[in-house]
Amino acid sequence: EAQVTQNPRYLITVTGKKLTVTCSQNMNHEYMSWYRQDPGLGLRQIYYSMNVEVTDKGDVPEGYKVSRKEKRNFPLILESPSPNQTSLYFCASSFSGGEKLFFGSGTQLSVL
Amino acid sequence: GENVEQHPSTLSVQEGDSAVIKCTYSDSASNYFPWYKQELGKRPQLIIDIRSNVGEKKDQRIAVTLNKTAKHFSLHITETQPEDSAVYFCAAMGGSGGSYIPTFGRGTSLIVHP
Repeated sequence: EAQVTQNPRYLITVTGKKLTVTCSQNMNHEYMSWYRQDPGLGLRQIYYSMNVEVTDKGDVPEGYKVSRKEKRNFPLILESPSPNQTSLYFCASSFSGGEKLFFGSGTQLSVL
Repeated sequence: GENVEQHPSTLSVQEGDSAVIKCTYSDSASNYFPWYKQELGKRPQLIIDIRSNVGEKKDQRIAVTLNKTAKHFSLHITETQPEDSAVYFCAAMGGSGGSYIPTFGRGTSLIVHP
């Protein structure tokens, strides 16, 4: 089954404790990206990757890191999480640069 | 950068009525306009998209229209059903510099009353 898999689904952590949210896709997509969804603000792109070893900033990259060492994986790293990073995070992938996105199931992150 | 405004934020209709959601964008170079549906607690899913060289596209009960001159595009849902209840997001992409960053509207919560 074609899918984008994110883990974990729910995460509660404390300020400053490094965390990683994993994302994997099995559709051989070139493009992968991360979004955060906040009430009343829609979806905002954090980072995207056009291909392996190629990443670029989205609209809200501050406080986040990503890496793309393999085509199928695109982890999101929060080196020192803060409460304003409490949000619902989605990973998404596509064949062609941001078009026809397939989203993962989401990760609800709470930073205390 | 691109700015996308979406209206209304909430739309309540009776089953069988039509629903229209409108988005305006700021970058005249944007050339790709998708619509995503997000049911409660679920992931967003693409329901229809349109490119700037097309004025209208239909898929069963849903359609999207694009007015490049006025820089707005709309989602039309006919014969609404309770399962159409969800949050709908529009987006615009491909603007100045060939951007690969979709800019999303803030979403419209559609409620279809049986």
